[in-house]
Amino acid sequence: NAGVMQNPRHLVRRRGQEARLRCSPMKGHSHVYWYRQLPEEGLKFMVYLQKENIIDESGMPKERFSAEFPKEGPSILRIQQVVRGDSAAYFCASSPSGHPNTGELFFGEGSRLTVL
Amino acid sequence: AQRVTQPEKLLSVFKGAPVELKCNYSYSGSPELFWYVQYSRQRLQLLLRHISRESIKGFTADLNKGETSFHLKKPFAQEEDSAMYYCALSGPIETSGSRLTFGEGTQLTVNP
Repeated sequence: NAGVMQNPRHLVRRRGQEARLRCSPMKGHSHVYWYRQLPEEGLKFMVYLQKENIIDESGMPKERFSAEFPKEGPSILRIQQVVRGDSAAYFCASSPSGHPNTGELFFGEGSRLTVL
Repeated sequence: AQRVTQPEKLLSVFKGAPVELKCNYSYSGSPELFWYVQYSRQRLQLLLRHISRESIKGFTADLNKGETSFHLKKPFAQEEDSAMYYCALSGPIETSGSRLTFGEGTQLTVNP
């Protein structure tokens, strides 16, 4: 099992461009979580998705940010019209479905976004 | 609202010395608490969870509801324990799944 795969690992964008970050959960996992880590800060929850459904997006900025987890393919975190403040590491995590809440999330290596 | 506080960003100890990484939380219900660790150039991974009452790599953590704390302890630190440690709290499974609220993290350095 290759674990949670995120790509790209590094992404550079100019202000106003779009950034798309992809996350493939571990095999058999249907729950995906996105976290953001700003420089010198901890991990902040953004959104929790199950296949084709957004369950909790309370941590997502109201504008420019969106996430999806389609029936087929990876989860995608999309940031439109990026600004310098979006520069951060974005981590994806997954957990299995149908299990009790063990609290174990399996993390990817993160995608580091730099906005010039 | 749920919140996790790790008061120390940096902690440095010598090999063989005891180590305690502090974690305090605020949560209105019955919390489930965890410690995650990130070693250099590795992914963030679960270290231990309070419901298991387990000791992993010599680390233990006791949930103190009176003091709302979940400090991580090890009696004799080793150099390979050097890493970033995050305390995390879980919300209700019905609405949050395995969503975790993380503290800011403590960078532990164990010196030879």
